[in-house]
Formats: sequence, C-alpha cells, structure tokens
Amino acid sequence: QVQLVESGGDVVQPGRSLRLSCAASGFTFSTYGMHWVRQGPGKGLEWLAVISFDGKVAYYTDSVKGRFTLSRDNSKNTLYLQMNSLRLEDTATYYCAKEAVMHYWYFDLWGRGTVVTVSS
Amino acid sequence: DIQMTQSPSSLSASVGDRVTFTCRASQGISNHLAWYQQKPGKVPKLLIYAASTLQSGVPSRFSGSGSGTDFTLTISSLQAEDVATYYCQRYNSASTFGQGTKLEIK
Repeated sequence: QVQLVESGGDVVQPGRSLRLSCAASGFTFSTYGMHWVRQGPGKGLEWLAVISFDGKVAYYTDSVKGRFTLSRDNSKNTLYLQMNSLRLEDTATYYCAKEAVMHYWYFDLWGRGTVVTVSS
Repeated sequence: DIQMTQSPSSLSASVGDRVTFTCRASQGISNHLAWYQQKPGKVPKLLIYAASTLQSGVPSRFSGSGSGTDFTLTISSLQAEDVATYYCQRYNSASTFGQGTKLEIK
C-alpha cells in the first residue's frame, strides 16, 4: 500500500525540541525528494522544507531555518524532522509529502499528519 | 520571495454552477503551479499540476489554465462533494501556497 505515516507529534513547551518521523511504504522512497508541510489550526498550508532523494541537500523556509533539520534514512524508508527551539507559532498539523515527479515540488502523496502543540 | 494570492477567500455557489478560482503570483513562475483540494478534516489532494495538467483520477470537470503570474482553476459543473478549500502552490525553485479559497454550496 502506497502511504506515508507521520508520528512523533506531542504537546511541548516553548523552547523545547521534538523529532517527527514519516514512514514511507509502497513506493521507491530513495528516488524521491520529500517535503514537510504544516497547517496551523484553522489556517492554510505552509511549505516548510525539502530534502533531496539522497539526503545530501535540504532547503528550508525562512520561518524554520536554523531551528528545524531534515534528514532521511533510505534503508528504513523514513524521513525525519528535528524541531528545536519550538515557538507557540509552530503549533500545527505537520504533513510529510512526496514529490510527484523527482525535482518538481508538487505532491501526489501526503501523510495524514501529526499534531504538534507548543504551549506553556 | 514570491507571494501567491488567491481570490476570493471564500465563495458560495449552487450545484451545477461553473466556479472559477483565481491565483496570482507576485512574480512570473512560468507554468510551475499546482492546485489542491482539501476537504474538511482531510488531507490535501493534488488536482492539477503544470498549471493545466489534470492529475490522474481527478474528474474532468476540474480544469486549470494560466501562465506567468495569473492562474485559474475552474469547476465546470459544481457537485456537492466539491465542498472544500482549494489551494494553489507555486513550485519553481521553491514552494509557496496561496492562502486558500473556501468553497461552499448555496
């Protein structure tokens, strides 16, 4: 079954860290760039970051640059998002998403999301 | 950074109506634009990519057009199951979503 399953969401205090995971199955994970997109409560979609198929290159949106780090383990078909120095405004549902075509950043497969709540 | 602006922010139409959504980029993005549908409580679904190419399995009542800075998504005959929020996304060398247009049935 072709799917992405996120995990790791939790309630954390501001300034703390959290690591999200995204387990992929049903497709050749190692040949696709992978992305994270988030959606705040009642808000729109915000693209966060991408990591290349081989894990060598990653790009981030300005709001998370320097705080969030993407990595992947192609042997485990898993994507990770390390989130440090969390802020109240990071509260959101976090989705991992697969590129439909390598190097083109639109997404044909999304996970169901994992919820991160940053609260004191 | 390139901004994506969608209009209107919400709209209400009747079943069978032709519905058009607009998305404008602050700079030219060629045809590097996708449209997604997000139904309440659900995950976004890819409808259109490359501005006008219908994703496999998407009903033919959906169509997209445009290039450069101005883009449209059209539903030729609105169905009740089309109630959702629709997002555009540019994907040329980076990615940004529009703020979405919420579609309701009259």
